Amino acid sequence: DAGITQSPRYKITETGRQVTLMCHQTWSHSYMFWYRQDLGHGLRLIYYSAAADITDKGEVPDGYVVSRSKTENFPLTLESATRSQTSVYFCASSVRTGSNQPQHFGDGTRLSIL
Amino acid sequence: DAKTTQPNSMESNEEEPVHLPCNHSTISGTDYIHWYRQLPSQGPEYVIHGLTSNVNNRMASLAIAEDRKSSTLILHRATLRDAAVYYCILRDVVNYGGSQGNLIFGKGTKLSVKP
Repeated sequence: DAGITQSPRYKITETGRQVTLMCHQTWSHSYMFWYRQDLGHGLRLIYYSAAADITDKGEVPDGYVVSRSKTENFPLTLESATRSQTSVYFCASSVRTGSNQPQHFGDGTRLSIL
Repeated sequence: DAKTTQPNSMESNEEEPVHLPCNHSTISGTDYIHWYRQLPSQGPEYVIHGLTSNVNNRMASLAIAEDRKSSTLILHRATLRDAAVYYCILRDVVNYGGSQGNLIFGKGTKLSVKP
């Protein structure tokens, strides 16, 4: 049971470059989420998706783009990376939305922008 | 989501029970109480959730006060692998916001387990 996997685990890039973080889940969960985790802020939602081809903004969407052409994949793209986007990024999924539905998280991508 | 208050850190000895408290004095009648934990260098992991009654699963137990203004996550026998940050999160049954399913993580309680 592979669950939810993120790649790469670590990435170093330069300011202004485009970078894509990948997220793949094997459960066929409808909902997928991207969070970032920074010291002093905890985890904050960037974007989420209710199903293939349905995405919406979270708390901190500026500078990020998402797509979801297939249920199992939910890539996150930084079109022109900035240093403020240095962070640890977590992808998550859940069967459906609802306040009693747990989310399942990947192990994260640690992104450093120089 | 209503706010929760947790101690910044706690210590436990291996193989002893651990009681992690959470205060949520402004909880509404439609808020579920969720617990997640985050081990070092890993993503958050769902632990347990409840509404009014105490709940048990293979990982832990959740004890909810009768007035629901506080709850306690109970690890029955702490192991070294239980060392993590534990988050107590409230999620409204009806009004979980425009960001569907958004979990609002606070700072949590960092649990250290001594051998």
